[in-house]
Amino acid sequence: GENVEQHPSTLSVQEGDSAVIKCTYSDSASNYFPWYKQELGKGPQLIIDIRSNVGEKKDQRIAVTLNKTAKHFSLHITETQPEDSAVYFCAAKGFKGAGSYQLTFGKGTKLSVIP
Amino acid sequence: EAQVTQNPRYLITVTGKKLTVTCSQNMNHEYMSWYRQDPGLGLRQIYYSMNVEVTDKGDVPEGYKVSRKEKRNFPLILESPSPNQTSLYFCASSLFAAGGQETQYFGPGTRLLVL
Repeated sequence: GENVEQHPSTLSVQEGDSAVIKCTYSDSASNYFPWYKQELGKGPQLIIDIRSNVGEKKDQRIAVTLNKTAKHFSLHITETQPEDSAVYFCAAKGFKGAGSYQLTFGKGTKLSVIP
Repeated sequence: EAQVTQNPRYLITVTGKKLTVTCSQNMNHEYMSWYRQDPGLGLRQIYYSMNVEVTDKGDVPEGYKVSRKEKRNFPLILESPSPNQTSLYFCASSLFAAGGQETQYFGPGTRLLVL
């Protein structure tokens, strides 16, 4: 099955600086890579995703890059703000039997933005 | 409002006492899933369902049961809870079982303590 590794597990940045979180995956057939943000006391929420036919995607201060050859993808947050403080999870979509799929999640990165 | 609801939000129980955590979505989603979240381990899938009466094991199914008698509901059953099932549980749903709309919408979580 799919294995997703995520680094770092914790990250502290000064407000206004950039933050980068990296993930690697094992299954070359995986074709969809979402990023979820989990705020304290809440369920994870999708913030951005990328498919395997695209190398980069950007949404305002958030961007994701994908390197299929190396099987890794990264989340970039620019001009960080205190409200970006949360736990971030990467995931990769692998395929299961009977035409279904499974999202395998990384272990998460706790991002702290220091005002 | 489109949402995934879980009940109860908090539960303290004793070893061996059967319990059910309910999950309901109002978005007519085909795919529903249960995850457990443990410190340092991220989100791990317990069971998933592609549609009514179609369920399958995730990565950590031992000690759990599920059913999908109606499209909107996907209860998680612990027949004989043990302390190692103390965890934070999330229900999630997405539109299509076969992919193409893989965004998963998470419930608010159920924090379970088994004594």
